[in-house]
Amino acid sequence: EVQLVESGGGLVQPGGSLRLSCAASEFTFSDYWMTWVRQAPGKGLEWVVNIKQDGSEKYYVDSVKGRFTISRDNAKNSLYLQMNSLRAEDTAVYYCARGRSGSCWGQGTLVTVSS
Amino acid sequence: DVVMTQSPLSLPVTLGQPASISCRSSQSLVYSDGNTYLNWFQQRPGQSPRRLIYKVSNRDSGVPDRFSGSGSGTDFTLKISRVEAEDVGVYYCMQATHWPYIFGQGTKLEIK
Repeated sequence: EVQLVESGGGLVQPGGSLRLSCAASEFTFSDYWMTWVRQAPGKGLEWVVNIKQDGSEKYYVDSVKGRFTISRDNAKNSLYLQMNSLRAEDTAVYYCARGRSGSCWGQGTLVTVSS
Repeated sequence: DVVMTQSPLSLPVTLGQPASISCRSSQSLVYSDGNTYLNWFQQRPGQSPRRLIYKVSNRDSGVPDRFSGSGSGTDFTLKISRVEAEDVGVYYCMQATHWPYIFGQGTKLEIK
């Protein structure tokens, strides 16, 4: 069964940084675009960023451009999200998802930005 | 950016009765390759989202056949032929034709 397991969330002060990880298993990770989607508490879903199979293309939503960086390590079947200059409005559960249409999702990791 | 508008936002349904959710986009979702990248997701209470339907009408593996998707261009519909208790949750449409990809606001389905 396809598995995506996120980690790295936590409480961070405004202006701080955090690095999320997503460990993938039971599918050929290097064959797929990968994605981060977030959901603020009690709110809807927001597609944050995509990365191509070889990492050569990345697409960010405007609200995180210049602050967040997506990367992947196909040898380790892992996806990452480096988040810098965090703001209160970045508080959300962050989900890792497979593909550009979200065919499978992880359980999410909560990021809380607060002083 | 494309605007995705779902209706209704709240959907009380009697068990065994049908349900329908509409999703409208502010521009055509037909991509240059001829495909329409409109997907539907279900999020049960306390769970991660799960994709039900991709490219308008293709059911994902394991999704009961009481779920169906239809539509074209800017107008799409998710139908549940007979609602069951396990269908309670929030349903989102999402377009993956134009960047940034956008979700609808969500439709909360509850049992009457």
